[in-house]
Amino acid sequence: QSLLTQPPSVSAAPGQMITISCSGSSSNIGNNYVCWYQQLPGTAPKLLIYDDHKRPSGIPDRFSGSKSDASATLAITGLQTGDEADYFCATWDSSLHGVVFGGGTTVTVL
Amino acid sequence: QLQLQESGPGLVKPSQTLSLTCTVSGGSISGGSSWGWIRQPPGKGLEWIGTIWHSGSTYYNPSLKSRVTISIDRSKNQFSLDLDSVTAADTAVYYCAKVGGGFSNEFDSWGQGTLVAVSS
Repeated sequence: QSLLTQPPSVSAAPGQMITISCSGSSSNIGNNYVCWYQQLPGTAPKLLIYDDHKRPSGIPDRFSGSKSDASATLAITGLQTGDEADYFCATWDSSLHGVVFGGGTTVTVL
Repeated sequence: QLQLQESGPGLVKPSQTLSLTCTVSGGSISGGSSWGWIRQPPGKGLEWIGTIWHSGSTYYNPSLKSRVTISIDRSKNQFSLDLDSVTAADTAVYYCAKVGGGFSNEFDSWGQGTLVAVSS
């Protein structure tokens, strides 16, 4: 049971917008920065968002991150078939003194 | 461009020690960065194993802390993972990664991962 709760799956048609939630507590998301990873099938995770909302070089602005209180959200606009992947949120947990990952959300493009 | 590559046995017997090495190329492991290990059981999510900070100090997942050691060999531009007393539950793809420069302890470069099975 992960400390960060994500919906198991999200789906939408191409071109649509989706959001993925990541719910935590004051010991993690509420007081620490959040990052998001994309894991395409059979590949290593790739950093999408860090420090709640920043994008690494090369990540398109279709991907955006936000945070409010102890919850974070990843939004993907203009959904493409190439966005079909698993998405994980992660942050530092101040009680555990370590990194915690969400359980992951599988995105399906209909 | 920084590249990371995991290496080590693909099969480990129960109760033995799982040992993996991550070789860093395209940059120096002593360049002020921190490094980590993450694993993913087949069909499941990601689990942080631990991080070795640029200072040399280490933080481990509390659920694995009694069995884990992460060390760094600057002369070889490598860092390593030892996981003692393994069981079938330790079967997973193991990733090494570099900690980024942000505040979120993010991993901004990853190795391709190596599958380690624990079986007799």
